[in-house]
Amino acid sequence: NAGVMQNPRHLVRRRGQEARLRCSPMKGHSHVYWYRQLPEEGLKFMVYLQKENIIDESGMPKERFSAEFPKEGPSILRIQQVVRGDSAAYFCASSPGGTGRSPLHFGNGTRLTVT
Amino acid sequence: QKEVEQNSGPLSVPEGAIASLNCTYSDRGSQSFFWYRQYSGKSPELIMFIYSNGDKEDGRFTAQLNKASQYVSLLIRDSQPSDSATYLCAVKHSGNTPLVFGKGTRLSVIA
Repeated sequence: NAGVMQNPRHLVRRRGQEARLRCSPMKGHSHVYWYRQLPEEGLKFMVYLQKENIIDESGMPKERFSAEFPKEGPSILRIQQVVRGDSAAYFCASSPGGTGRSPLHFGNGTRLTVT
Repeated sequence: QKEVEQNSGPLSVPEGAIASLNCTYSDRGSQSFFWYRQYSGKSPELIMFIYSNGDKEDGRFTAQLNKASQYVSLLIRDSQPSDSATYLCAVKHSGNTPLVFGKGTRLSVIA
């Protein structure tokens, strides 16, 4: 499958635990974006990364959330000490370049439920 | 604050009719415009993109862009029940900036 791969598809965590969401971009894509979608809401930008660099994290909460895209391996979105309000669908998208004309291709998402 | 506005709907059209979905954006420097379709519980999938003023056609879909009015629309001809989904408008400024999404318009095509 050459598409954007996200895992796990579903993740259940208790309040206070850590959640790790993984994303492997499409082959040939070096730009990764993370979005969050609450029920009945639109997609909210969180963070934009290239290999080993965070380009824009303006949409990411300052506390408990972090993201990385190492030289080798998938991009990771990490949420520490999860709270019920973190329950949402988290989508990763990738593009081949950062130009304005590169559409984003989305993975199937990770649905996080905090109990 | 860059914003993208869409009517949340639902927009109901009969099968075979033309569905017209509209979107306005606040950032006058926006350069690229995208329409995504999202079925309930699924991920967004790209339908069309448009960069220049005017119309762009792809099968039953036509995207229309008017940069002066900061307005972009999507027309779906011969609407089918399988077109029933939420349609997301997304706008990009340039270079290394993220796509900004509207909240989406829910379309219901009635057989």
